[in-house]
Amino acid sequence: EAGVAQSPRYKIIEKRQSVAFWCNPISGHATLYWYQQILGQGPKLLIQFQNNGVVDDSQLPKDRFSAERLKGVDSTLKIQPAKLEDSAVYLCASSLDAANIPYNEQFFGPGTRLTVL
Amino acid sequence: GQNIDQPTEMTATEGAIVQINCTYQTSGFNGLFWYQQHAGEAPTFLSYNVLDGLEEKGRFSSFLSRSKGYSYLLLKELQMKDSASYLCAVIDSNYQLIWGAGTKLIIKP
Repeated sequence: EAGVAQSPRYKIIEKRQSVAFWCNPISGHATLYWYQQILGQGPKLLIQFQNNGVVDDSQLPKDRFSAERLKGVDSTLKIQPAKLEDSAVYLCASSLDAANIPYNEQFFGPGTRLTVL
Repeated sequence: GQNIDQPTEMTATEGAIVQINCTYQTSGFNGLFWYQQHAGEAPTFLSYNVLDGLEEKGRFSSFLSRSKGYSYLLLKELQMKDSASYLCAVIDSNYQLIWGAGTKLIIKP
């Protein structure tokens, strides 16, 4: 079974530039998550999709971050314009969320390491 | 507020046993996960607890006490490859996953 795919793996930009990340979840997984993980910290949820609807985006800085999940499969996360403090690893995860399983394990992609100069 | 506490860093010796503690204060409880994250890699699932008691899986075991808001991850027969961060995460009453900052485990020969 293919895992969660993300691209690019690394990105270096200057502040005030724009950047976009792409995620392809595991086939059949209804829920998709975008996390920001700063070095030495746990993942911080930015946005959670259930199919193509937003479940939780309470911690997404909406003045500069946006995300979409067209057709309930792939997703993109955009930052425009980027700030120095956006330097982090951006992790995408997906989960099955079926009613007949004891727990919903999240499967993570390899992440995109963003450096803002 | 919601809070998960884990030690920042621990050191242990190859072949030994180490216990990584996690305490939580969350709005409700619907389960607790432990994930392993090697440096520069994505987190991978280790265990899930929803009822009190010990869950054993090979060299790794996870314990939960809901009344105390406490869990631990026990790693036996430590190997160098166990050097990683260990993340505790709790599902709250809204079924949202609250993550701890992780414990960096350093294994020495």
